[in-house]
Amino acid sequence: AQKVTQAQTEISVVEKEDVTLDCVYETRDTTYYLFWYKQPPSGELVFLIRRNSFDEQNEISGRYSWNFQKSTSSFNFTITASQVVDSAVYFCALSEKYPGGSEKLVFGKGMKLTVNP
Amino acid sequence: SQTIHQWPATLVQPVGSPLSLECTVEGTSNPNLYWYRQAAGRGLQLLFYSVGIGQISSEVPQNLSASRPQDRQFILSSKKLLLSDSGFYLCAWRSWGRKGYTFGSGTRLTVV
Repeated sequence: AQKVTQAQTEISVVEKEDVTLDCVYETRDTTYYLFWYKQPPSGELVFLIRRNSFDEQNEISGRYSWNFQKSTSSFNFTITASQVVDSAVYFCALSEKYPGGSEKLVFGKGMKLTVNP
Repeated sequence: SQTIHQWPATLVQPVGSPLSLECTVEGTSNPNLYWYRQAAGRGLQLLFYSVGIGQISSEVPQNLSASRPQDRQFILSSKKLLLSDSGFYLCAWRSWGRKGYTFGSGTRLTVV
């Protein structure tokens, strides 16, 4: 069964610090997708990135970067020079296909990031 | 354009009352649809998913049920709410773009 582990439950940093959010996953399939979402206090899920299992290139988007390593089944997320607006709950998620056409997105338990001024 | 609508945004219901949350998708056909719940301070738990009309798969046995009466309509129901049903409910569909999945804005349910 698919499983996503976010070992850190809560992190507090001071503005401008770099912070890395860890994500480790388990899957029986070779074809899958990994995601990161941001959930601000309002509750809606904000899409950050989707990565397919065949693309191990790291990605950078502004202050955000992602490190995908299949060898260790990890998909870590780094925020550089954190800002107060980065305060939110961050979820890592895994999507894989099942026989019959279904596809399920399973989330980690989330990590609450607080960035203090 | 492809959009997802979920309502109501907030709901306060007494214990033992029924529940009906509705989710509809526009701009696509035969979508895979999902219901998630987030209890206070907890992660997102997949409750139900559906690959077509009348086809419902339950992930977690509980006090809730789901139905898909139309291709782009997904309903979450309960006959009698429990206090433990309180939480934030999100509907989603498997969209075929950069994001992969599109989520509704959520319903915050408080059972009192």
